[in-house]
Amino acid sequence: AQKVTQAQTEISVVEKEDVTLDCVYETRDTTYYLFWYKQPPSGELVFLIRRNSFDEQNEISGRYSWNFQKSTSSFNFTITASQVVDSAVYFCALSVSPNTGTASKLTFGTGTRLQVTL
Amino acid sequence: NAGVTQTPKFQVLKTGQSMTLQCAQDMNHEYMSWYRQDPGMGLRLIHYSVGAGITDQGEVPNGYNVSRSTTEDFPLRLLSAAPSQTSVYFCASSYSRPYTEAFFGQGTRLTVV
Repeated sequence: AQKVTQAQTEISVVEKEDVTLDCVYETRDTTYYLFWYKQPPSGELVFLIRRNSFDEQNEISGRYSWNFQKSTSSFNFTITASQVVDSAVYFCALSVSPNTGTASKLTFGTGTRLQVTL
Repeated sequence: NAGVTQTPKFQVLKTGQSMTLQCAQDMNHEYMSWYRQDPGMGLRLIHYSVGAGITDQGEVPNGYNVSRSTTEDFPLRLLSAAPSQTSVYFCASSYSRPYTEAFFGQGTRLTVV
């Protein structure tokens, strides 16, 4: 069975601070995929990034960066110079690749609520 | 481009009533799924479908029914609503390949009284 743990329930920062959201996953599969989604106050879920288990390269996209470490089963998300618009709930999710090669079920963490204030 | 469309956005039901949450996607995605979101629980998978005519249970299927007669539509039926089914429901779709992101609908906030 798969499991995703986001131990930080809520984080509050002041604008321009850097913040890291932690994600730890568990799976016995050797091929798996990790995702981050953002849920702003309006409620929709917005895809941010995906990473497969064979690609441990970190990624940077503007103020966002992701650190994938298989050795610690972590896929952490850092926002640099946070802004009020970053206030949202962030979900980390995991899927594994079944032998059929079809898309697989997503297992979500419980989410981290980020509040950025002026 | 509409993406994934869910209706209704809000619904209040009385205990014991039945209803259908509608979900439609226009991206020709093979894979569709329903999740429920509860405080402190993240999103949990209710049912999913890998193509028309094929459905399967997720983590929390009890009290829900699905069918998939077309690629575009994946309705979720509540057979006899219970207060424990008060939640926000999300429909999602994706291509039927690993490593593809899911696209989510706007969500349906359901209250059962």
